[in-house]
Amino acid sequence: DVVMTQSPLSLPVTLGQPASISCRSSQSLVYSDGNTYLSWFQQRPGQSPRRLISKVSNRDSGVPDRFSGSGSDTDFTLKISRVEAEDVGVYYCMQGTHWPPTFGQGTKVEIK
Amino acid sequence: EAQVVESGGGLVQPGGSLRLSCAGSGFNFNDYSMNWVRQAPGKGLEWVSYISSSSGTIYYADSVKGRFTISRDNAKNSLYLQMHSLRDDDTAMYYCGRGKYLALWGQGTLVTVSS
Repeated sequence: DVVMTQSPLSLPVTLGQPASISCRSSQSLVYSDGNTYLSWFQQRPGQSPRRLISKVSNRDSGVPDRFSGSGSDTDFTLKISRVEAEDVGVYYCMQGTHWPPTFGQGTKVEIK
Repeated sequence: EAQVVESGGGLVQPGGSLRLSCAGSGFNFNDYSMNWVRQAPGKGLEWVSYISSSSGTIYYADSVKGRFTISRDNAKNSLYLQMHSLRDDDTAMYYCGRGKYLALWGQGTLVTVSS
């Protein structure tokens, strides 16, 4: 199985400041169709996960533009340009290129 | 508004069985593949099973293969997960997710395996 490794696992941030989460895969996530199936999910406290970004950088409908995804091959990043209180929670990356789909361990974002 | 709603969780003894359901609404259920994903208490996300829109393709995680069966009834806009031989480490919140890349999640249904 493809191993997804996130860092850091805990991220204290100041309101209004940027935040960045790294996700690395043990194999290339480029699929035979040319797409890279790397998604990011947010899980707020007590809630179910919500997808934020698909295929590395495509924001889902309703996701604020302060969230952005980038990267390629095995190295990916989720950035929050200015952290707001509602961004507190755990963020997961997930690869859908290889079966089975696998998630990173999660990064807990909290306010300093 | 598109949504999926899980049900059927509960307390079951080790070795027991349980059937989870997921009802889809607000979208053409039979156009989408579906997944089950679980989350043990205080832990991360683990993909469990996948079924294509026509039920022609099905996959399972190694941890549940041979014990769990995924199915769907497109006429009823419903997804199911039949779970047998349940173990303590199957205790988790079980979520259904729409599409191969999990664009839409439900609120989850809690399965507790304990004597």
